[in-house]
Amino acid sequence: DQQVKQNSPSLSVQEGRISILNCDYTNSMFDYFLWYKKYPAEGPTFLISISSIKDKNEDGRFTVFLNKSAKHLSLHIVPSQPGDSAVYFCAASAIQSNTGKLIFGQGTTLQVKP
Amino acid sequence: EPEVTQTPSHQVTQMGQEVILRCVPISNHLYFYWYRQILGQKVEFLVSFYNNEISEKSEIFDDQFSVERPDGSNFTLKIRSTKLEDSAMYFCASSTREGRRGTDTQYFGPGTRLTVL
Repeated sequence: DQQVKQNSPSLSVQEGRISILNCDYTNSMFDYFLWYKKYPAEGPTFLISISSIKDKNEDGRFTVFLNKSAKHLSLHIVPSQPGDSAVYFCAASAIQSNTGKLIFGQGTTLQVKP
Repeated sequence: EPEVTQTPSHQVTQMGQEVILRCVPISNHLYFYWYRQILGQKVEFLVSFYNNEISEKSEIFDDQFSVERPDGSNFTLKIRSTKLEDSAMYFCASSTREGRRGTDTQYFGPGTRLTVL
């Protein structure tokens, strides 16, 4: 089941620069997308979400972009900080289909170097 | 800030034994979920629960699994006869799904690491 894919297992950026994490999905029923951050031995922490009626959502240093035609979303972190180093998961759900289950990608490990 | 809590943080059990994992969702949330993550793999959905009944379950959630909301605050996952392959991190999540607004942000607990020997 590869409905949500994060093709880059890891990403390394310099502190202060932009981090761009990508996610692709295949199921056109998905209408709500979320990004979670996860540290080892902890639960996923919600970062930001976007509904399919929008193409951009911004919250502080975090911006999520959604391209429905390409079935692609991305998370931009500007400026990146060493504390952002973690695993980032993209997740999708199909709310209008009345199913709340989240389908997760494999995760991308972000390392922000001081 | 309200948060989802889970106990225990780590559970070690012998194969064939029953385990109960406990969760306290955020108090005004109505939708509850269990997910698991086997080491090195992605987080995968197990079951969703609303209005005191299962609303959806995955193929993983077979007859060995059950969920319950025994009182107004706890939400439990029971595995009746554990297998080696049940070893994983188990995460509880809760949300206030607002289907009309198209939002459903699920908040996760810290997880229970289950080790089956």
